[in-house]
Parts: sequence; structure tokens; C-alpha cells
Amino acid sequence: GENVEQHPSTLSVQEGDSAVIKCTYSDSASNYFPWYKQELGKRPQLIIDIRSNVGEKKDQRIAVTLNKTAKHFSLHITETQPEDSAVYFCAASSRRALTFGSGTRLQVQP
Amino acid sequence: GAGVSQSPSNKVTEKGKDVELRCDPISGHTALYWYRQSLGQGLEFLIYFQGNSAPDKSGLPSDRFSAERTGGSVSTLTIQRTQQEDSAVYLCASSELRRISYNEQFFGPGTRLTVL
Repeated sequence: GENVEQHPSTLSVQEGDSAVIKCTYSDSASNYFPWYKQELGKRPQLIIDIRSNVGEKKDQRIAVTLNKTAKHFSLHITETQPEDSAVYFCAASSRRALTFGSGTRLQVQP
Repeated sequence: GAGVSQSPSNKVTEKGKDVELRCDPISGHTALYWYRQSLGQGLEFLIYFQGNSAPDKSGLPSDRFSAERTGGSVSTLTIQRTQQEDSAVYLCASSELRRISYNEQFFGPGTRLTVL
């Protein structure tokens, strides 16, 4: 089955800096790669996703890149703000349930 | 519109008791998923229902865990003879599979299960 690894497990940045979270996956059949943000005590919320037919996608301060050959994808947050502080999960999927990474706790210092 | 709902929001039970957790997916969503999230951990896949197909039970950790989905809508996750290691937040998600590869999932608020 699919295996998704996520790094780093924790990340602390200064407000205004950029943050990058990286994930690798094992199943070459995976074709959908969402990123979820989970605030403390809340449900995971989709923030951006990418499908295997594109290499990059942007939405305001958030971007995701995908390298199918290397089987890795990354989340980039620019101009970080304190409200970006949360746990971020990457995931990979083909036709069934998502396989999640172990999460990255992002702390944005004001 | 209404999102995914789950009940109860919190459940405290004694070791050895059975519990039932309920999930109401978004109306019209054909796919329903159960995940488990232990404290400070990632999301662990448990079971997946898609339409009338046989469910994918490959993530269930033991035969004490079972789930059903009645009428293609509401789902119940049952844990028999609960153990302390079953303590976790159980999350349900649903999705609308309009295309084979499209799989955006919407999560419910979860049920926090505590086994004493």
C-alpha cells in the first residue's frame, strides 16, 4: 500500500518568513495530493490540493509543487502570519482513502 | 449547506464495554471514510465505503472494530470490548467521486473516545 513520509515534524519561523513542508510517497499510482490544516481541537480542513497532471498550483500565499518522477511534493507558505500556526498534513490517494503523512507542527512567531 | 456531522462529540467508556460512533455524511456524497487520530499523531485510515461496493476494511486494527453504512448514507463504527489503546479521536469524512481520480474529502468534527 501507499506510504507517505512528511518532514519536518516541527517548524518554527518568524512572522513574514516562508515555510516549506516536504512529503514523499511510495505508490506511483497515486494521483491526488491534498494538504490539510488542523488547528488545535478542530477538524482537518483542506487548504490546497494538486493532481498528478500538473506540477505546481498556487492560491494566494500558498503553493504546492509535485515531482512525479521523484515522488515528492511540497507545501510552500509565504509571508507567514501567526494564524498560520497549526498542524499541516500532506496526503496521497489513488482511488481509495487518503494516506496521510505524520504531520508538521508549524509555529509562526510574531 | 450542512457539513459532515458526527455523534457523540465525546464518549467516555469503561474498558471492556462496546461503543457505537455515528457519522452523517454530506448529502449526495457516495464515499465515506473513517480515520483515527491518536493524541498528537497523524490520521490513521480505518475503513472506506464507496456506493454499493464492498467496503475496504484494510485499515481496521482488529476484529473488535466493525462499521456499517445503511442506505448509502449514515455510517456507524462499532468498537467491541474497548481497550485503553482505543482512546483517540475518530474522524469521519465524505467525498463526492465525480471522477475516478478526484477525492477531496470533507471531515466531520470527530468523536473523542476515552476508555478508562
